[in-house]
Amino acid sequence: GQQVMQIPQYQHVQEGEDFTTYCNSSTTLSNIQWYKQRPGGHPVFLIQLVKSGEVKKQKRLTFQFGEAKKNSSLHITATQTTDVGTYFCAGHDMRFGAGTRLTVKP
Amino acid sequence: GAGVSQSPRYKVAKRGQDVALRCDPISGHVSLFWYQQALGQGPEFLTYFQNEAQLDKSGLPSDRFFAERPEGSVSTLKIQRTQQEDSAVYLCASSLGGRAYEQYFGPGTRLTVT
Repeated sequence: GQQVMQIPQYQHVQEGEDFTTYCNSSTTLSNIQWYKQRPGGHPVFLIQLVKSGEVKKQKRLTFQFGEAKKNSSLHITATQTTDVGTYFCAGHDMRFGAGTRLTVKP
Repeated sequence: GAGVSQSPRYKVAKRGQDVALRCDPISGHVSLFWYQQALGQGPEFLTYFQNEAQLDKSGLPSDRFFAERPEGSVSTLKIQRTQQEDSAVYLCASSLGGRAYEQYFGPGTRLTVT
């Protein structure tokens, strides 16, 4: 079945530094979704990517979908303390990656 | 309008007891999903409904787990003869359409089996 791997598992950055998390699938995905979960909270939808090579931006967040539709990335420019949380990707069968936990030092 | 609600928020069960977890999706949402999230892990897909039809139950870990959505709105996840490894947060999510739509998650039910 579909396997979605995420790296890194943890990332600790200084406020203002950039952050990137990567998602890799063993199979081609028809779409990929990204979610953010704050500590103690529930996952909140960020974005969905559908097209090969697609790039979408939300303010300081940039999402990419690979040409082969097997990998994706989320890049945050100039992190802020409000970015703290765990970022998950999920493939079209709603199999989630294990997530990347981001902590930001002010 | 109201978001997805789940009850109870916390449940402590003794090993061997049966539990029932409820999910009230956003009104009008066709699809409903159940996930199990262990501490420090991502949500693990359990099952998916479109209206009252259970279209995918491949994630249910054993036949002790059963889900239903008889009228296409409220859903119940039942776990029979709970085991310690069932301890987790159970998340429910709903969406307007199928899997390719944004999912709105509820706050979850934290189940602790002692």
